[in-house]
Amino acid sequence: EDQVTQSPEALRLQEGESSSLNCSYTVSGLRGLFWYRQDPGKGPEFLFTLYSAGEEKEKERLKATLTKKESFLHITAPKPEDSATYLCAVQGIIQGAQKLVFGQGTRLTINP
Amino acid sequence: DAGVTQSPTHLIKTRGQQVTLRCSPKSGHDTVSWYQQALGQGPQFIFQYYEEEERQRGNFPDRFSGHQFPNYSSELNVNALLLGDSALYLCASSFGAGTGYEKLFFGSGTQLSVL
Repeated sequence: EDQVTQSPEALRLQEGESSSLNCSYTVSGLRGLFWYRQDPGKGPEFLFTLYSAGEEKEKERLKATLTKKESFLHITAPKPEDSATYLCAVQGIIQGAQKLVFGQGTRLTINP
Repeated sequence: DAGVTQSPTHLIKTRGQQVTLRCSPKSGHDTVSWYQQALGQGPQFIFQYYEEEERQRGNFPDRFSGHQFPNYSSELNVNALLLGDSALYLCASSFGAGTGYEKLFFGSGTQLSVL
């Protein structure tokens, strides 16, 4: 069964203090790994999809990377508006095209 | 262009009751998936509807059922509510289930509280 584990569960940073969030996964065959951002009381908002080991994608202060066993979401010089829960999910080939298996998320707080 | 819309936004029910949640997919999308998100956890897949049929199902009991209408909108029904059913219920839409990768767009969810 596909599994996703995210660490840390919560992270508190000062504005401008860069860090990384980890997503470890096991999947029978990886169709894609997804990062979403979720604000309180809202649905997840799509950030990135990574398909194969070695792939990297960037968006503003965020950069996602992928290896065969884990993915990192690097946050460079974060701002308070980057505070949110960041969710990682995998889509396996065997499970079908569109079922996502999510981790429990990392709750990120950026203090001004 | 409206995104994924869900109704109601909040709902309070008592144990044993039945509830119906509604979802309208993003314009141009024909596939709807439902997820349950307990407090402090990631979303868990309930099921997916495409062409008015349930195409995939997660590890949820038969108390959870759904329907998709010809206009691609969808309903999630939960019978015999339990306290443990209290959660945020998310609807996600996409295009062309099973034809390849498609990014999921999520609605803001329905917060269900069972007392």
